Amino acid sequence: EAQVTQNPRYLITVTGKKLTVTCSQNMNHEYMSWYRQDPGLGLRQIYYSMNVEVTDKGDVPEGYKVSRKEKRNFPLILESPSPNQTSLYFCASRALYISTGSPGNTIYFGEGSWLTVV
Amino acid sequence: AQKVTQAQTEISVVEKEDVTLDCVYETRDTTYYLFWYKQPPSGELVFLIRRNSFDEQNEISGRYSWNFQKSTSSFNFTITASQVVDSAVYFCALSEAASNDYKLSFGAGTTVTVRA
Repeated sequence: EAQVTQNPRYLITVTGKKLTVTCSQNMNHEYMSWYRQDPGLGLRQIYYSMNVEVTDKGDVPEGYKVSRKEKRNFPLILESPSPNQTSLYFCASRALYISTGSPGNTIYFGEGSWLTVV
Repeated sequence: AQKVTQAQTEISVVEKEDVTLDCVYETRDTTYYLFWYKQPPSGELVFLIRRNSFDEQNEISGRYSWNFQKSTSSFNFTITASQVVDSAVYFCALSEAASNDYKLSFGAGTTVTVRA
């Protein structure tokens, strides 16, 4: 079954304590990205990755880091979390290249990670 | 600039009423994709539909229907005979084929509450 798996799903942490939200996909997708969702703003892209070792900033990258050492994993790192990073986070993946039988532009989202920074 | 505008923040209806969610988008690309997602209270994003810019046919899927009009840059979504299970936040989103980041630009979402 095609899946994007995020962990943890729920986390309450304190200001300044480094945390990592993991994301893993089993579809061999080249492209992965992170979004945060805030009331009244919808979802906004934080970082994205076009392939292994290729990452770039999205619209709201401040306070976040990412890495893409393996194709299947794309962790989101908060080095020093602050309360304004309290949000619902989504990881997403998609294939970049359309091939026979591929869903092409289908975007797969993880189930979301609720993060609270106090 | 906001690329996707969902002007309705909240809509409340009584069961069996129809509800239409508005979505207006902005793009200079000639090739783009429009999406609708449903987010129930549990938080996950449920994909509802994807439409490419070259396909202006309206679509119906059960109680859901979509009206895509390039002339007004709108991609509206109607739930017919609403049910309590339709209560959720609904997002409209745009993906531009020419963008380098392949991102989805989301609207702010419309919260739909269906009362029994």
